[in-house]
Amino acid sequence: GENVEQHPSTLSVQEGDSAVIKCTYSDSASNYFPWYKQELGKGPQLIIDIRSNVGEKKDQRIAVTLNKTAKHFSLHITETQPEDSAVYFCAASPSGTYKYIFGTGTRLKVLA
Amino acid sequence: EADIYQTPRYLVIGTGKKITLECSQTMGHDKMYWYQQDPGMELHLIHYSYGVNSTEKGDLSSESTVSRIRTEHFPLTLESARPSHTSQYLCASSEGTWGYTFGSGTRLTVV
Repeated sequence: GENVEQHPSTLSVQEGDSAVIKCTYSDSASNYFPWYKQELGKGPQLIIDIRSNVGEKKDQRIAVTLNKTAKHFSLHITETQPEDSAVYFCAASPSGTYKYIFGTGTRLKVLA
Repeated sequence: EADIYQTPRYLVIGTGKKITLECSQTMGHDKMYWYQQDPGMELHLIHYSYGVNSTEKGDLSSESTVSRIRTEHFPLTLESARPSHTSQYLCASSEGTWGYTFGSGTRLTVV
């Protein structure tokens, strides 16, 4: 079945620096890749997503890149701020299913 | 402006009690999901529904049951709670594949 690996599990960066979180997936038929941010005491919130026919997508300080050949996708956060501190999850949606396979999460800490 | 609501937010209950975790959404989404989130953060799918009167078990075996009698409502029930059921339970909904909307979760503690 589909498997999604996410790295690193924890990441600390200085405020203003960039943060990169990487995920790899196993099912080449996966066609949708969302990223979620979970703040303490809240449910995950969709922050950006990318479909398999697109290589890169950007929304202000966050961007996602997808390499279908290598089966990996990454989240890039530039000019990090303390409010970016949270747990981030990647996910992949295998073709033909509405279910997501989530990565194991990355705890990001932005140090002021 | 949460469009998916979970109640209660926190629940502490004794072993052997029957509990129902409520999940309701106002977006008219046909697909709904229950996830269990362990302290290590991982999200495990335990139940899902693609429409009224349709429910399926997820990837993680669970002693809980669900029902989907109305589009907007997807409650989860534990007939006899045990300490091993202590966890965070997250409900989500979607229209198609694109973008789940999650509720704020119910943190359940069984003592």
